[in-house]
Amino acid sequence: SQTIHQWPATLVQPVGSPLSLECTVEGTSNPNLYWYRQAAGRGLQLLFYSVGIGQISSEVPQNLSASRPQDRQFILSSKKLLLSDSGFYLCAWSFNSGGAGRETQYFGPGTRLLVL
Amino acid sequence: AQSVAQPEDQVNVAEGNPLTVKCTYSVSGNPYLFWYVQYPNRGLQFLLKYITGDNLVKGSYGFEAEFNKSQTSFHLKKPSALVSDSALYFCAVRDNTGGFKTIFGAGTRLFVKA
Repeated sequence: SQTIHQWPATLVQPVGSPLSLECTVEGTSNPNLYWYRQAAGRGLQLLFYSVGIGQISSEVPQNLSASRPQDRQFILSSKKLLLSDSGFYLCAWSFNSGGAGRETQYFGPGTRLLVL
Repeated sequence: AQSVAQPEDQVNVAEGNPLTVKCTYSVSGNPYLFWYVQYPNRGLQFLLKYITGDNLVKGSYGFEAEFNKSQTSFHLKKPSALVSDSALYFCAVRDNTGGFKTIFGAGTRLFVKA
């Protein structure tokens, strides 16, 4: 069976500091990978998605970037955090059938980021 | 453009009573519809989805949802609520053009009283 991991679980960072959040998936190959941000315990905003190693698509211009250095590893980064980057960051994966289509997304446990 | 509306911020129901969490959607083309549940400080858990076929979809933990194309709705239901069902519920939609963007509703908080 497949498992998705995210770390750290919580992070408190000062404004202007760098960020690196990691997500890994086990038990599958060549998944689609996604980064979402959830603000104030409500709706989710898609930040990035990836259909393969080195392939990143950005949905929203922002202070963040993403990378996929390995097949089942997805990293969310920032060079300088802003106060507005605070939130709950969720990684998700789905099977890759050539289009997102009907595949279910499965979510990781999330990372709560507080920028002070 | 795709959109999802969850018209109720909060739904309150007594344990043992039936529950309904509402969702309406808008897509150009045929929709793929999903329901997820989120417990505090946790990721989203998949409950069920509608892709095609039978309009009544059964999912995890006794939940079901009915796809109504004419009303563009996909309401989540359960015949008998449990206190442990108290959580935040999200409806999501994707169109069938093969794109990767899933639109999530704002969420509905369900409170089940003992």
